[in-house]
Amino acid sequence: EAGVTQFPSHSVIEKGQTVTLRCDPISGHDNLYWYRRVMGKEIKFLLHFVKESKQDESGMPNNRFLAERTGGTYSTLKVQPAELEDSGVYFCASSETKATASLNGYTFGSGTRLTVV
Amino acid sequence: KQEVTQIPAALSVPEGENLVLNCSFTDSAIYNLQWFRQDPGKGLTSLLLIQSSQREQTSGRLNASLDKSSGRSTLYIAASQPGDSATYLCAVKTGANNLFFGTGTRLTVIP
Repeated sequence: EAGVTQFPSHSVIEKGQTVTLRCDPISGHDNLYWYRRVMGKEIKFLLHFVKESKQDESGMPNNRFLAERTGGTYSTLKVQPAELEDSGVYFCASSETKATASLNGYTFGSGTRLTVV
Repeated sequence: KQEVTQIPAALSVPEGENLVLNCSFTDSAIYNLQWFRQDPGKGLTSLLLIQSSQREQTSGRLNASLDKSSGRSTLYIAASQPGDSATYLCAVKTGANNLFFGTGTRLTVIP
């Protein structure tokens, strides 16, 4: 079974540019989560999809961040325009159901390291 | 608001030593606690998950305990090996269905 896949693995962009990160969850997992870790801080929750619907986007830092999950499969996270403080590692995770997440935890991808210069 | 703290931030031990990593959380209303391992440039690998009703979980040389009432968990690693060198993260799951992470403990096992 393929795990959670994220790409690109690394992106370097200039301030003011746009970047789109992609996450492919484990097939059949309805729940998809985005997290990020900025330098020196803990990993923090960004948002949660159940299929194509945003269940909780309370962690999104501002309106420069836009997440989508069309068709309830893969998800994209777009940052437009990127700022220096957006640099960090963006993780995606998935779980089959909410109950599964409670029982078995989450499966995380390897992350996308975003560097804004 | 849930806050998760991990102590120490970094730890170096000689190979073969047993060690304990600590995790504390401020709100005991959790569903479970998960320990992860992160290697440099890699993603998060789940090591152990303890449900709120459980006291401990074991996998090989790893043993995780949970004292929910006091807001503490420990990860015990027996007979450490150089391959155990990594950053260890604990995370608690709340009713909001997301995880609150600590900042991690960076472990170095010296051959």
